[in-house]
Amino acid sequence: GDSVTQMEGPVTLSEEAFLTINCTYTATGYPSLFWYVQYPGEGLQLLLKATKADDKGSNKGFEATYRKETTSFHLEKGSVQVSDSAVYFCALPGRGSTLGRLYFGRGTQLTVWP
Amino acid sequence: DAGVIQSPRHEVTEMGQEVTLRCKPISGHNSLFWYRQTMMRGLELLIYFNNNVPIDDSGMPEDRFSAKMPNASFSTLKIQPSEPRDSAVYFCASSLGTGGTPEAFFGQGTRLTVV
Repeated sequence: GDSVTQMEGPVTLSEEAFLTINCTYTATGYPSLFWYVQYPGEGLQLLLKATKADDKGSNKGFEATYRKETTSFHLEKGSVQVSDSAVYFCALPGRGSTLGRLYFGRGTQLTVWP
Repeated sequence: DAGVIQSPRHEVTEMGQEVTLRCKPISGHNSLFWYRQTMMRGLELLIYFNNNVPIDDSGMPEDRFSAKMPNASFSTLKIQPSEPRDSAVYFCASSLGTGGTPEAFFGQGTRLTVV
């Protein structure tokens, strides 16, 4: 079935470092793809999304490009801040009998030090 | 809109007791999800509803777990009897789940500790 695989964490960076969190997907066709973020003590919230191949989603300085050739949707940020410390989840939506639900990756813990 | 509202935020209970978690989804959303999050197992989907009807409960770990959605604005997740291994953060989420690109909105979670 459809699924996403994201890199294992934790990821620890210094402030202003470059961030990449890898995500690859397995699916028939080209589903929408999402990145969610979970700040400490909170629920998940949508960070960005891309609805079709070659789209780029962006928000709060984060970007991810939907690359069908490599079935990837890697999350990047050029200069991370301490406030970006959180858990990041890649996700894709179900289809057919699972329409309406989201399939999440395992999550990647990011810690940014000042 | 106030977002997805869960109660209580924290629950500490003794093993063997019944625990009921509550969720109020965003008005107008027709899909509701219950998730469990632990360090060991990550984020797990327990059950989800479309239009108040349970669609997939294959993630419910045991018969001790049950979920109901009596109307579009309220859902409960019950654990009876509770066990220490049920300790986790339980999230409720809702979405407009009928196709397209359904963004799920999460509540702040209920942190359950069973001692």
